[in-house]
Amino acid sequence: DAKTTQPPSMDCAEGRAANLPCNHSTISGNEYVYWYRQIHSQGPQYIIHGLKNNETNEMASLIITEDRKSSTLILPHATLRDTAVYYCIVSVNTGNQFYFGTGTSLTVIP
Amino acid sequence: GAVVSQHPSWVICKSGTSVKIECRSLDFQATTMFWYRQFPKQSLMLMATSNEGSKATYEQGVEKDKFLINHASLTLSTLTVTSAHPEDSSFYICSASAGNYNEQFFGPGTRLTVL
Repeated sequence: DAKTTQPPSMDCAEGRAANLPCNHSTISGNEYVYWYRQIHSQGPQYIIHGLKNNETNEMASLIITEDRKSSTLILPHATLRDTAVYYCIVSVNTGNQFYFGTGTSLTVIP
Repeated sequence: GAVVSQHPSWVICKSGTSVKIECRSLDFQATTMFWYRQFPKQSLMLMATSNEGSKATYEQGVEKDKFLINHASLTLSTLTVTSAHPEDSSFYICSASAGNYNEQFFGPGTRLTVL
């Protein structure tokens, strides 16, 4: 079963930062937080992952709270192409099962 | 980056027939492959985990005799939906994992419609 909870939907104005929260209060010490997104009728696309430190790549930033019970994915300048369902997943590593929660449907508004 | 392909991308079949879906890792050797099913407006549901050369591990509630998984090589896994019925119509997605990568790579999915 999924160990994460996310708001079902969010809107964001184009060009503004999109902040997507995720709760994972039962995360284990050796579990990573992974973020993926799925554009309609496509396979999920990897965005970023982290263990306890904040992470940044060319797509997004990941902020993990000190107690690791929640995290926030930040898309710094949302574009219309960022409209998708975003999933937060916790897992020991990529060779272990990924249990998807309901995700957050992000709509970027022109 | 690593690429995972699926074939076919869509298939329509008659009730009672069997359908095979292929999942290939194109430029890396996948130690583990996963199969998911996704119904409209729902999240991905993990069906099974397969490791090369060994039997797949099915999630609770997934019928192993109905969804046959074969992982014969480090680059190919197949899912066969046997005696398909309309309720098996869904979007089937595979993913692959390798020890030297930090992500699971997902295929583009296969849309199955059973008439």
